[in-house]
Amino acid sequence: AQSVTQPDIHITVSEGASLELRCNYSYGATPYLFWYVQSPGQGLQLLLKYFSGDTLVQGIKGFEAEFKRSQSSFNLRKPSVHWSDAAEYFCAVAPNRDDKIIFGKGTRLHILP
Amino acid sequence: GAVVSQHPSRVICKSGTSVKIECRSLDFQATTMFWYRQFPKQSLMLMATSNEGSKATYEQGVEKDKFLINHASLTLSTLTVTSANPEDSSFYICSATRQQEQFFGPGTRLTVL
Repeated sequence: AQSVTQPDIHITVSEGASLELRCNYSYGATPYLFWYVQSPGQGLQLLLKYFSGDTLVQGIKGFEAEFKRSQSSFNLRKPSVHWSDAAEYFCAVAPNRDDKIIFGKGTRLHILP
Repeated sequence: GAVVSQHPSRVICKSGTSVKIECRSLDFQATTMFWYRQFPKQSLMLMATSNEGSKATYEQGVEKDKFLINHASLTLSTLTVTSANPEDSSFYICSATRQQEQFFGPGTRLTVL
């Protein structure tokens, strides 16, 4: 069965600092991978996705993620965070592009001024 | 981009009553929609896959007689929570598939008194 692990429940970084959110997945083949952000009181917004090709994926809001097959990881990065980046971040996996999505438990990002 | 709406955005009901939540794809047709629920500070859990013109497919542990799903048209899926109780209080989110990608609605906050 597919699963997604986000080992960090909370992450706190200072504004302007770099960020890396970890995500590991369990799946027999190469899955479709996603990162979503959920701000308080708002819906899910897709940050980026990996289906195939270049393993370094660029997303919106200055985020990027790197797919590493050998480590079964898809970590999210941003070189310099802004206070508005404070939110809940979900890594997710799907066996196919239009199949049900399995979400990780999420990482809540806190930004220090 | 594709737009998915949900109605209502918030609903409060008494125990024992039924509540209907609508999920609409506004600018595209979706043969498949998904329903998720999210408890406070937790991840999204898939409840069921809604297929237009056929019965929904429920995830293990989800009571199909309690959470009735109807996908009568290519732009509308409804989730009815029957005989609601306080444990059903949650955030319900739908998604619709368009061109092999999922687009999420803004969610419906259900509170059962």
